[in-house]
Amino acid sequence: QVQLVESGGGVVQPGGSLRLSCEASGFTFSHHGMHWIRQAPGKGLEWVAFIRYDGSKDYYGGSVKGRFTISRDQSRNSLYLQMNSLRADDTAVYYCARYGGGQIFVDYWGQGTLVTVSS
Amino acid sequence: QSVLTQPPSASGTPGQRVTISCSGSSPNIGRNTVGWYQQVPGTAPKLLIYNNNERPSGVPDRFSGSKSGTSASLVISGLQSEDEADYYCAAWDDGLNGWVFGGGTKLTVL
Repeated sequence: QVQLVESGGGVVQPGGSLRLSCEASGFTFSHHGMHWIRQAPGKGLEWVAFIRYDGSKDYYGGSVKGRFTISRDQSRNSLYLQMNSLRADDTAVYYCARYGGGQIFVDYWGQGTLVTVSS
Repeated sequence: QSVLTQPPSASGTPGQRVTISCSGSSPNIGRNTVGWYQQVPGTAPKLLIYNNNERPSGVPDRFSGSKSGTSASLVISGLQSEDEADYYCAAWDDGLNGWVFGGGTKLTVL
């Protein structure tokens, strides 16, 4: 069965950096595009970034463009999110999610990892 | 302020039919398909509807979706207590070159 397990969350000071990881299993990782999606405490979902199945192209939401970088390591079946210049409003649960292909935006989600930006 | 607009709340009694709307514009819903996600508080979201009206295997046929112009709707028929959750619509936006979500609708089963 498809499993997505995020790690790397924690508390970081404003202006700091953090790298999130997502280990995928139960499917052929190199065949699927992957997303990061976040949810601030008590708020709705916000799409953060997407990387194509082969890593050839990436896309970012307006609030993180220029600060966050999505990447993947096919040999490790892993997805990453490098977050720099963190701000208080980046505080959220970050979900790793699989692009389902075609018209399916997301078909599987991880359980999420909490990032708290606070001094 | 979300790009897609949903009512913040909806409610119904067991057995009732409830409709949740999602309003967008030409670059998103007007030109692209809509997906719907269910999130029980404290858990990860779950895919409910994709490609406007298709259900993944395992999703009961009580859930249905539709799209017309720049708006979409999720209909839950025969409401059950376990349907109490937050519901989100999502679509690709050609102008923003990314995916956008609705603000979410909290469904209460009375």
